[in-house]
Amino acid sequence: DGGITQSPKYLFRKEGQNVTLSCEQNLNHDAMYWYRQDPGQGLRLIYYSQIVNDFQKGDIAEGYSVSREKKESFPLTVTSAQKNPTAFYLCASSTQGRNEQFFGPGTRLTVL
Amino acid sequence: GQQLNQSPQSMFIQEGEDVSMNCTSSSIFNTWLWYKQDPGEGPVLLIALYKAGELTSNGRLTAQFGITRKDSFLNISASIPSDVGIYFCAGGDSGAGSYQLTFGKGTKLSVIP
Repeated sequence: DGGITQSPKYLFRKEGQNVTLSCEQNLNHDAMYWYRQDPGQGLRLIYYSQIVNDFQKGDIAEGYSVSREKKESFPLTVTSAQKNPTAFYLCASSTQGRNEQFFGPGTRLTVL
Repeated sequence: GQQLNQSPQSMFIQEGEDVSMNCTSSSIFNTWLWYKQDPGEGPVLLIALYKAGELTSNGRLTAQFGITRKDSFLNISASIPSDVGIYFCAGGDSGAGSYQLTFGKGTKLSVIP
């Protein structure tokens, strides 16, 4: 059963702590993306990766970090430097050379 | 960066009515995508458009790629309660090898039974 999984669904952290969000795909997609969604807003791109061991900053990368050691995995770390980390985080993937992106179910992060 | 203007922001309709929403851009795109997002879930791809003027249907949904390549429209016919959700448009520009998408802010659809 192919798809994109994100875990956990809900995450609570204390202010000042780093937290890592998981994203795994078994679609054999080359490209993976992380978006942040706030109420009433569109999706804003945090980071993306088109191949293993390579990634680029999106529009709002400050306070976030990523790694792409395996094709299937693209974890996102929300660091303590992110001023307003409470949001809904979405991971997506796409086939090389195609614009269509397919999304995971999302992780809602709440920083207390 | 590029921006998409999606309208209306929200709409309330009676079950059985038809729905129209659109996206406009200041820039040209070579792909237009329409997604639906249920509360607390990730967006699901509904329709993908690749050519200016293209009209594509998916069940009760019909979308069009504008001739100018700067806009797209989504129509839903005979709405039903499960159509409730947020609909997003996204424009793609694969020029220079970039496959990033630019998203509209969404149209929140409410269906009154």
